Amino acid sequence: DAKTTQPNSMESNEEEPVHLPCNHSTISGTDYIHWYRQLPSQGPEYVIHGLTSNVNNRMASLAIAEDRKSSTLILHRATLRDAAVYYCILRDVIGHNAGNMLTFGGGTRLMVKP
Amino acid sequence: GAGVSQSPSNKVTEKGKDVELRCDPISGHTALYWYRQSLGQGLEFLIYFQGNSAPDKSGLPSDRFSAERTGGSVSTLTIQRTQQEDSAVYLCASSSNGRGRPQETQYFGPGTRLLVL
Repeated sequence: DAKTTQPNSMESNEEEPVHLPCNHSTISGTDYIHWYRQLPSQGPEYVIHGLTSNVNNRMASLAIAEDRKSSTLILHRATLRDAAVYYCILRDVIGHNAGNMLTFGGGTRLMVKP
Repeated sequence: GAGVSQSPSNKVTEKGKDVELRCDPISGHTALYWYRQSLGQGLEFLIYFQGNSAPDKSGLPSDRFSAERTGGSVSTLTIQRTQQEDSAVYLCASSSNGRGRPQETQYFGPGTRLLVL
C-alpha cells in the first residue's frame, strides 16, 4: 500500500468542525482512501472511504483533492466522544485472492476540548 | 452476534507459558484477520484467513505464533513459550469477503490485552 502522512496530533473545541488532513502523494489510480478511528481502549472502527469523489455519511465527510494526492476527513461538529486516533489508509487491489489487510501508520490523535 | 467478539478481554501470563486467544467473527464473514498493537504503537498485521484457503501467515513474527480457524468461523491465535515482548493488544477483524476488494470494510473486535510477566 502507498504511504500516507498525517499530523501526529490535533486539537479541537467541542461542537466545532474538525478537518483532519492526510497526504498521499504516491497514490495510484486504483487506491481507495479509507479512514478508520480508534477510540481509547477499543478496536479500530471504520469511518468512511472514497476513490475520487467526495463522500458523506452519518459519521463524517471525506474531501478528496482533484489530483488525489491528499484528502481531508471532516467531522462537522466534534464531540468529546470523537477523541480518538484517526488513521488514513490506502488500499489497492493487489490480487484477486489477496487479503487486503489494513496497513496502519501512526495516525492523528484528535483531542477535543470541552 | 452483532459484532466481532474476542476472549478473554485481558490475559496475564508468566514468561514461557502458552496462551490461546479466541475470536468470534461476524456471522457469515468469510475473511478473518489478526493484528497486534504494542503499547503506543500502530497496528501490525499477523495472519489472514479466507474461507477454506490456506491462511496468509506473512505477518507472524516468529514460529511461536500460530492460528487456526475451525469451520470457517471461530479462530484461535496461539502463542507458545510467551516472551515479555509479546505483551500487546491482539485484535481480530472480519470482513464479508476480503478477496481483492479494496473498498471492503473490516470490523474489529475489542481486543485481548496480553501481559507477559
